[in-house]
Amino acid sequence: AQKITQTQPGMFVQEKEAVTLDCTYDTSDQSYGLFWYKQPSSGEMIFLIYQGSYDEQNATEGRYSLNFQKARKSANLVISASQLGDSAMYFCAMRGPVYSSSGGGADGLTFGKGTHLIIQP
Amino acid sequence: DTAVSQTPKYLVTQMGNDKSIKCEQNLGHDTMYWYKQDSKKFLKIMFSYNNKELIINETVPNRFSPKSPDKAHLNLHINSLELGDSAVYFCASSDFGRPNTEAFFGQGTRLTVV
Repeated sequence: AQKITQTQPGMFVQEKEAVTLDCTYDTSDQSYGLFWYKQPSSGEMIFLIYQGSYDEQNATEGRYSLNFQKARKSANLVISASQLGDSAMYFCAMRGPVYSSSGGGADGLTFGKGTHLIIQP
Repeated sequence: DTAVSQTPKYLVTQMGNDKSIKCEQNLGHDTMYWYKQDSKKFLKIMFSYNNKELIINETVPNRFSPKSPDKAHLNLHINSLELGDSAVYFCASSDFGRPNTEAFFGQGTRLTVV
């Protein structure tokens, strides 16, 4: 079974500082995908960045980058130059097989418990 | 255009009632999902459906049943609602053949059972 661990329930960061949100994962699959989502107080789930298990380079999307260390099974999200609007819940997730007790399989996302990031002015 | 839309956004109902949440996606994805987010913000998959096979998270009570009239819709029916069913329910869709692409989420339905 897949497992995602986010060890920081909450973080306070000064505006304009860089912030690293931790994520470690556990899976027996060789091929998998790692995602980060942002959930602001309004509640919607916003996709931020993706890293494939076979990608050799760390993913980047604007101010977001992913520090992918496969041997350590970590996929930390780095937000550069944080802004007040970055205050939100952040979820790390892994896409992979979801199995039923009958043995059928499909794919789905397994989420970590999230990190509540608060950017202070 | 909204990629994944679910209705209603808020649903308040009494214990014992039966209710439905509708979900539609216009992305042409072949796989749709329902996720439950509890009061501690933990998200857990309930169902995965790829228009051929329904995969159920075995921890989901059988009072919950997804219904897919066509590839673009996956509605969630809940019978005999209980207080513990209060949560935010998210519909999502993705392209099963492209695992490196993200799942798109609806805006969520906040269900409150009183």
